[in-house]
Amino acid sequence: DADVTQTPRNRITKTGKRIMLECSQTKGHDRMYWYRQDPGLGLQLIYYSFDVKDINKGEISDGYSVSRQAQAKFSLSLESAIPNQTALYFCATSDWTSGHAGELFFGEGSRLTVL
Amino acid sequence: TQLLEQSPQFLSIQEGENLTVYCNSSSVFSSLQWYRQEPGEGPVLLVTVVTGGEVKKLKRLTFQFGDARKDSSLHITAAQPGDTGLYLCAGGRVSGGGADGLTFGKGTHLIIQP
Repeated sequence: DADVTQTPRNRITKTGKRIMLECSQTKGHDRMYWYRQDPGLGLQLIYYSFDVKDINKGEISDGYSVSRQAQAKFSLSLESAIPNQTALYFCATSDWTSGHAGELFFGEGSRLTVL
Repeated sequence: TQLLEQSPQFLSIQEGENLTVYCNSSSVFSSLQWYRQEPGEGPVLLVTVVTGGEVKKLKRLTFQFGDARKDSSLHITAAQPGDTGLYLCAGGRVSGGGADGLTFGKGTHLIIQP
């Protein structure tokens, strides 16, 4: 089984619908992240959380919200989906490291299409 | 805003050839990571370099961090079809922080043809 599991893997929805992408991890890491990947744009950070009580906006948080339900669970919501939110979404975890950014462990991705 | 430029964006070569992928910036980074992403999967870390001038080898892959910690390169010797994938570099913020401080390049799509 994967250490970082995302559901659903694929989702097609319509403009205006509410969508939730879920992420769970068995790595025991405190830090969790949501990224968006678009062709030609690389990975962009949406939100991140260093523990259950800590939520932080990333570089492209508008139109998204998150919930850290437990150390192992971090969900991403699109309250009212729009077509330009069509993308591949990744959840990732990391451990604390001293001195430099630690390794990110990614899930397999959730492909979202908004019609 | 720290930017990382990767080149080339796309590269298709024959099995057995050598290649180099570049990751350049005008900003200084505390560390530089390289990830490989295969279709339908998330990126997987290949290496982290943290010292200017550092060279790390992973079998046929050689990674170098520039002396000024502004750039990095990935060299593959005798490329194989299994090397096919999207290669991403990511720079760590000098001011500290965890993975939230990583800036990702846009990636290099590499195809190794048998």
